[in-house]
Amino acid sequence: GQSLEQPSEVTAVEGAIVQINCTYQTSGFYGLSWYQQHDGGAPTFLSYNGLDGLEETGRFSSFLSRSDSYGYLLLQELQMKDSASYFCAVRAYGGGFKTIFGAGTRLFVKA
Amino acid sequence: NAGVTQTPKFQVLKTGQSMTLQCAQDMNHEYMSWYRQDPGMGLRLIHYSVGAGITDQGEVPNGYNVSRSTTEDFPLRLLSAAPSQTSVYFCASSFDRETTDTQYFGPGTRLTVL
Repeated sequence: GQSLEQPSEVTAVEGAIVQINCTYQTSGFYGLSWYQQHDGGAPTFLSYNGLDGLEETGRFSSFLSRSDSYGYLLLQELQMKDSASYFCAVRAYGGGFKTIFGAGTRLFVKA
Repeated sequence: NAGVTQTPKFQVLKTGQSMTLQCAQDMNHEYMSWYRQDPGMGLRLIHYSVGAGITDQGEVPNGYNVSRSTTEDFPLRLLSAAPSQTSVYFCASSFDRETTDTQYFGPGTRLTVL
């Protein structure tokens, strides 16, 4: 089967940089995705890494290392509106067309 | 485009009742899925569909049925509601089965089973 692990909570200060890690166990997979979810809202897609390395989208970057079964989401110049839950997700080989999500990391941004 | 829409937004059921959660998308996406979200457990896949007439089970399919008669609609049926099915239900879609890494989610249905 597949499993993903993320820290349950992270706290950071406005204007700072924060990294949210995701480690996964799967026999093979297509890539790692990240989603953001504000309280009471729906998850929204942030980024996808199909290859090893860094992908940058504005203040957000995502990194993948297949050899380490590890990825992270990097948020720069934190704003109060970044307070939300962040989920990593994978679609594995041989599991049909299923995307499996981690339990999520709750990010608290303090003034 | 409205994207992915879900109805109702809120629902309260009694144990044993049945109901259908509606999901529709207007993006001509082939792939659609249903997730449930419980506190501290992330999103768990219930059922998914790779196209009209084709459905398959996800991680937690028991107690739920789906069908996909059109590309646009993917309803989720609760056969006999149980308190354990109290959750927030999200419908999602992606362009096709090869692009499920990028899914678009509906606003969710908050279901309480008494």
